[in-house]
Amino acid sequence: DIQLTQSPSSLSASVGDRVAVTCRASQNINNYLNWYQQRPGKAPKLLIYTASGLQSGVPSRFTGSGSGTDFTLTISSLQPEDFATYYCQQSFSTPQTFGPGTRVDI
Amino acid sequence: QLEQSGAEVRKPGESLKISCKVSGFDFITSWIGWVRQTPGKGLEWMGIIYSGDSDTRYSPSFQGQVTISVDKSVTTAYLQWRTLKASDSGMYYCVRQRESSGWYGMDVWGQGTTVTVSS
Repeated sequence: DIQLTQSPSSLSASVGDRVAVTCRASQNINNYLNWYQQRPGKAPKLLIYTASGLQSGVPSRFTGSGSGTDFTLTISSLQPEDFATYYCQQSFSTPQTFGPGTRVDI
Repeated sequence: QLEQSGAEVRKPGESLKISCKVSGFDFITSWIGWVRQTPGKGLEWMGIIYSGDSDTRYSPSFQGQVTISVDKSVTTAYLQWRTLKASDSGMYYCVRQRESSGWYGMDVWGQGTTVTVSS
């Protein structure tokens, strides 16, 4: 199985801050890396698909970058509704796998 | 959207089938998957089924432990256990995932079904 690691595991930030979360894959996954946001008590929500594609309806302050084994999710200006947990997920090979998550707190 | 069945409580050794009703998009041409979330293991991809021909792919971790199926007549996907274990407790989500020369993200999620297995 392809392992995904995320850093940091948690971070504290303020409204308006620029925040970056990284995801590293244990082997080359080309650009088959997706990002999700999960708020407490809710299902995950797709933000970014195939490394840099912005999912319909997602604000443009969310951007994804990277390829191969190293990827980054950037939030350009943190908003109150962005305080949540963020997960990366690889869809390159079966079984698809998720990272352990990055919690973004105030 | 994906509408999942309600929370379930079962004893070890019992069977269970939970459902995921699809509406608002073409069921027949969709891949519907299942994802488990637990505090200990986080998010786990269990498997996925193509509604048109029931082509099913399982994670090795769940192969033989669960059965994924669909009923086209009611546009519903199912996740089934024959013999539940306490370790099957968790939140289960059904998802839609697009495939086109590769897998894209899971763009539609159900609200989740909580399964509790306890004696």
